[in-house]
Amino acid sequence: DIQMTQSPSSLSASVGDRVTITCRASQSITNYLNWFQQKPGKAPELLIYAASSLQSGVPSRFSGSGSGTDFTLTISSLQPEDFATYYCQQGYSTPPTFGGGTKVDIK
Amino acid sequence: EVQLLESGGGLVQPGGSLRLSCAASGFSFSNSAVSWVRQAPGKGLEWVSSISGSGGSIYYADSVKGRFTISRDNSKNTLYLQMNSLSAEDTAVYYCAKPLSSDWYVAGYWGQGTLVTVSS
Repeated sequence: DIQMTQSPSSLSASVGDRVTITCRASQSITNYLNWFQQKPGKAPELLIYAASSLQSGVPSRFSGSGSGTDFTLTISSLQPEDFATYYCQQGYSTPPTFGGGTKVDIK
Repeated sequence: EVQLLESGGGLVQPGGSLRLSCAASGFSFSNSAVSWVRQAPGKGLEWVSSISGSGGSIYYADSVKGRFTISRDNSKNTLYLQMNSLSAEDTAVYYCAKPLSSDWYVAGYWGQGTLVTVSS
C-alpha cells in the first residue's frame, strides 16, 4: 500500500495568515492526489482533486500543487470557517489511502 | 442535487453482525461506482470498500476482507454493507461516498455518516 505522510499534524494560525500543508507519498502517484476538509461532526468535503483542480464551490484562496511524491495545500488567507482538519488522499492505486490529517486551529 | 443517506448503524456486540444502507438520489445510481469510507473516533479516514455501477467490480480493504460484503440494489438506488464478525476495531462512523466523475477514488459527494459501535 502507498503510505501518505502529512506535515505538520497540527498548526495554530491567525485569520489572514497564509497556511501551507504538505503531503508526501511513499512512491510516485503522478497527480492522483486529493485534498479534503473536515469539520467536527461533519463528513469530509472535497477541496482539490488531481493535485491542483479546485472543486466547484470551493473558495479560490485554496490551492494545490505538486506531482510525483510531494504535494502542497495552500490557504492564501485563512478565514474563520477554515479552521478544520485537512486530509490528503492518493487515488493512484488500490487501496486508496489517506494521510493522517492536519488540524488547523486558532492561534 | 446528489444526496446520500446512510442508516443501520448502532451498538453491536463483538462477533455480531450489522447491515448498513445508503439511499442515493439526485444522480444516475446504476451508472456510478459508490464506496464506503470509515473513521474511528478521533482518528483518520480509511477506505473500506467500493463497487462499480453494475456491481461487477468490487474492492475491499484488507482489514475487512472476508468479513464485510458490499452490494447494491440499483432498482432501489441503495448501497449496502453487510458487516460480520465485528470487533472493537470496527467501531467507526461509516460514510457512503460517490465519485466526482468516473474516477472511483475522487470522493466528491459524502453522506452524513452512521455510527457503528462494537462493544459488550
